[in-house]
Amino acid sequence: NAGVMQNPRHLVRRRGQEARLRCSPMKGHSHVYWYRQLPEEGLKFMVYLQKENIIDESGMPKERFSAEFPKEGPSILRIQQVVRGDSAAYFCASSPPGGSSTDTQYFGPGTRLTVL
Amino acid sequence: GNSVTQMEGPVTLSEEAFLTINCTYTATGYPSLFWYVQYPGEGLQLLLKATKADDKGSNKGFEATYRKETTSFHLEKGSVQVSDSAVYFCALSDRDTGRRALTFGSGTRLQVQP
Repeated sequence: NAGVMQNPRHLVRRRGQEARLRCSPMKGHSHVYWYRQLPEEGLKFMVYLQKENIIDESGMPKERFSAEFPKEGPSILRIQQVVRGDSAAYFCASSPPGGSSTDTQYFGPGTRLTVL
Repeated sequence: GNSVTQMEGPVTLSEEAFLTINCTYTATGYPSLFWYVQYPGEGLQLLLKATKADDKGSNKGFEATYRKETTSFHLEKGSVQVSDSAVYFCALSDRDTGRRALTFGSGTRLQVQP
């Protein structure tokens, strides 16, 4: 049973370009979460999605960042007009349908974004 | 708001030494508590969790007890191995509000020397 898949693992962008990060949850999971980890820091929650719905985006920057989880296909975290401060590791996690906040979130290997 | 405070690292130990990594939390409600481990270049793996006061989570020789009176969830292991070298994160989720977002501590790097 494959775990949470993220691609690409490493992404290099120049300032002003767009970054698209993909996340395929574990099989059977319908909840997806995105977190950002700045160097030498803990993870910070960004957004929580279910299929076709954003449930909690309280951690998302107001501008340039967006996320989706379509009915078919992976979840996408999109960063427009990237700046150097966006350089970080972005982790996706998933959990099964239903459940509660006590559920374990299963993390992917992360995408390391470098903005030149 | 919610927050998690961990002891700063790195923590350097010799193989077979006793490990304690302190974690305290502040929460508006009654949280669930987690320890995650991150090996170099990898994502986070759940190590153990506890969902109510006095629960003890355990896995791979690691243990942590949910102490509501001291708002703590310290991680312990009786005898560490070189393979335990990693970064350890304490985290909580807010069960009262039902929000799924995990709040993480800043992480504690453990280095175990042979």
